[in-house]
Amino acid sequence: NAGVTQTPKFQVLKTGQSMTLQCAQDMNHEYMSWYRQDPGMGLRLIHYSVGAGITDQGEVPNGYNVSRSTTEDFPLRLLSAAPSQTSVYFCASSSGINEQFFGPGTRLTVL
Amino acid sequence: GESVGLHLPTLSVQEGDNSIINCAYSNSASDYFIWYKQESGKGPQFIIDIRSNMDKRQGQRVTVLLNKTVKHLSLQIAATQPGDSAVYFCAENIVGTYKYIFGTGTRLKVLA
Repeated sequence: NAGVTQTPKFQVLKTGQSMTLQCAQDMNHEYMSWYRQDPGMGLRLIHYSVGAGITDQGEVPNGYNVSRSTTEDFPLRLLSAAPSQTSVYFCASSSGINEQFFGPGTRLTVL
Repeated sequence: GESVGLHLPTLSVQEGDNSIINCAYSNSASDYFIWYKQESGKGPQFIIDIRSNMDKRQGQRVTVLLNKTVKHLSLQIAATQPGDSAVYFCAENIVGTYKYIFGTGTRLKVLA
């Protein structure tokens, strides 16, 4: 199993550009989530999904959209990038309220 | 390079000694807790978990202690090794939700 994969690993955007961060898992997990990690602030939940077709907001959802059309994929969309969205983004999955498996992260810089 | 965790509290431990990393959690309704290890440039990796009906749980070289009275969680690492050098996070799950709250992390440095 590849576990949780994320692409791209690095991305530089200009303010106002849009892009999609990809996340996929091959463990048949129902639960998937997106976090951002900033220095000194730990991981903060952006959006999460408890199954295909079901998504909900986390702690910091503004400026981000998600969809879950399949069990495997959970893309995160930035509609109009802002410098405040410069961060490291992690996708995670789990089979329930238990151990989350994290991807390797995407390092995003918005100029 | 590593940009996350520039201003984290740091625990420096001599190789072979035991390490204790502490975490104060925020919500008395949390009933599930996880410790993660994050190495430079990588995603968090599960170490050990504990549910609120337990006070202590042991794994291989690691022990988690939960004190619900004071909302405190600790991770003990026995015979700390250079490979244990990383940032350690605690996370709490709010009962009835899929939401996790993460602590800000502690950097563990193992001195040779």
